[in-house]
Amino acid sequence: EAGVAQSPRYKIIEKRQSVAFWCNPISGHATLYWYQQILGQGPKLLIQFQNNGVVDDSQLPKDRFSAERLKGVDSTLKIQPAKLEDSAVYLCASSWSGGSLSTDTQYFGPGTRLTVL
Amino acid sequence: DQQVKQNSPSLSVQEGRISILNCDYTNSMFDYFLWYKKYPAEGPTFLISISSIKDKNEDGRFTVFLNKSAKHLSLHIVPSQPGDSAVYFCAARNAGNNRKLIWGLGTSLAVNP
Repeated sequence: EAGVAQSPRYKIIEKRQSVAFWCNPISGHATLYWYQQILGQGPKLLIQFQNNGVVDDSQLPKDRFSAERLKGVDSTLKIQPAKLEDSAVYLCASSWSGGSLSTDTQYFGPGTRLTVL
Repeated sequence: DQQVKQNSPSLSVQEGRISILNCDYTNSMFDYFLWYKKYPAEGPTFLISISSIKDKNEDGRFTVFLNKSAKHLSLHIVPSQPGDSAVYFCAARNAGNNRKLIWGLGTSLAVNP
């Protein structure tokens, strides 16, 4: 079974530029998550999709971050314009979310390491 | 406000011995707890979980213990192997808040040969 795919793996941009990340979840997983992980911290949830609807985006800085999940499969996360403090690893995860505890287990992609100069 | 706390940033253990990683939480609404392992340049990998109605779950060399009255859980790895060297994250699911996972800061485990 293929895992969660993310691209690019690394990205270096200057502040005020824009950047986009792509995620392809595990086939059949209804729920998709974007996390931001700053060095030395645990992952912080930015946005959670259930199919193509947003379940939780309470910690998404909506003035500069946006995300979409068209057709309920792939997702993109965009930052425009980027700030220095956006330097982090952006992780995508997916889960089946069939209702039982075990199906809520989140499976992560390798992440995209963003450096903002 | 850190609802999930991993108070030891790092731990060093000899190969073959037991590794014990600890996690404390404050929110009684958490109903499910998970441990993830993370290698450098990779995403976290699910390791083991436990429901709040259980006090122990075992999977091979990995056992998670939950003490609800103390709001404390621990991950035991026996015997520890050099390949277990990684950062371990404790995460807790909030049953009432979109079932969101709240993560600790992680503990870096080094298993020395």
